[in-house]
Amino acid sequence: KAGVTQTPRYLIKTRGQQVTLSCSPISGHRSVSWYQQTPGQGLQFLFEYFSETQRNKGNFPGRFSGRQFSNSRSEMNVSTLELGDSALYLCASSRLAGANEQFFGPGTRLTVL
Amino acid sequence: KQEVTQIPAALSVPEGENLVLNCSFTDSAIYNLQWFRQDPGKGLTSLLLIQSSQREQTSGRLNASLDKSSGRSTLYIAASQPGDSATYLCAVRRRETSGSRLTFGEGTQLTVNP
Repeated sequence: KAGVTQTPRYLIKTRGQQVTLSCSPISGHRSVSWYQQTPGQGLQFLFEYFSETQRNKGNFPGRFSGRQFSNSRSEMNVSTLELGDSALYLCASSRLAGANEQFFGPGTRLTVL
Repeated sequence: KQEVTQIPAALSVPEGENLVLNCSFTDSAIYNLQWFRQDPGKGLTSLLLIQSSQREQTSGRLNASLDKSSGRSTLYIAASQPGDSATYLCAVRRRETSGSRLTFGEGTQLTVNP
């Protein structure tokens, strides 16, 4: 059974650009969450999606957005990139929302120059 | 607001030692607690999940306990090996007005020396 996959694995962008990251959950999983990991702030929650609906959102500016498709795949978008957006972006999937175990993908390493 | 603290921040031990990693959290309204392992530059690998109604879980050389009332969890690693060297993260899944989220501690960086 394939794990959570994230594409691309590495990205280099310049300030002001926008970026779209993709996440494919484990087959049969309907919930997808996104996290940002930086050396200074650690792991911070971005979004939680279930059945194409955003159920929860972390404390990030409106430049960060996301969506989930009918096949449970998810994308997140960051517009008007800033240097501080450089981070490892991690996607996690679980079978359902709430009490289920979460499984993480390998992450997308975003560098903003 | 849920806060998660892990002690110690770093730990270096000789191979074969048994060791304990500690995690504390401030809000007991949780669905569950999950322990993860992260190797440098990699994603997170789930080690153990303890539901809020459970007291402990075991997997191989790993044993995790949960005391929800005191807001504490411990991860016990028996007979440590160099391959156990990694950062160990504790995370609690919190109920919120809408949906839920994982709140992470800062991690314990473990080095097991041959």
